[in-house]
Amino acid sequence: DQQVKQNSPSLSVQEGRISILNCDYTNSMFDYFLWYKKYPAEGPTFLISISSIKDKNEDGRFTVFLNKSAKHLSLHIVPSQPGDSAVYFCAASLNSGGSNYKLTFGKGTLLTVNP
Amino acid sequence: DAGVTQSPTHLIKTRGQQVTLRCSPKSGHDTVSWYQQALGQGPQFIFQYYEEEERQRGNFPDRFSGHQYPNYSSELNVNALLLGDSALYLCASSPRGPGNTIYFGEGSWLTVV
Repeated sequence: DQQVKQNSPSLSVQEGRISILNCDYTNSMFDYFLWYKKYPAEGPTFLISISSIKDKNEDGRFTVFLNKSAKHLSLHIVPSQPGDSAVYFCAASLNSGGSNYKLTFGKGTLLTVNP
Repeated sequence: DAGVTQSPTHLIKTRGQQVTLRCSPKSGHDTVSWYQQALGQGPQFIFQYYEEEERQRGNFPDRFSGHQYPNYSSELNVNALLLGDSALYLCASSPRGPGNTIYFGEGSWLTVV
């Protein structure tokens, strides 16, 4: 039972354009969501997070949007840069329940930004 | 400030053997979690340690066990290795409390032959 789904295994965009990575979840109890970036042979690197009490969080070129009614979140990267090419993982947790250490991950989306 | 450090980086074991993986959390972090990432999958939660006790556990058999030391470092032990245990094992650390960012190490690649 995949509670966090990233339905696009890969995404290719041109440098300078917007990258939009999508994530859906099924567990309505999730209240904290995170995005991680992963390069080959490295561990996941934290990018940005959002609490379920918000619908948007922005950090530089990265913005995460949360639609609780649709159980959907997305990561926008503007403008995209070749160095953004990596696998992006969406993760969710039960933060308020004290279980924020147990992250449930999607399978990831490979983003390729072409020069 | 060192981040989360793991050792060894790579190792090869034979079916039936036992393996121990080690993790030092980021400075100031007292909570350690372990994840298994199989090829083509997202990381899966194995268990979490705080105050030297296992606090939460994912859907992994008892062959997977762990330990946390007073200095917050942690070990993951896997007994009776199976071919399916071949994966990247990730250690993550954070301070205790909600809303804290969880930081990952670079992982230990385990190959079981």
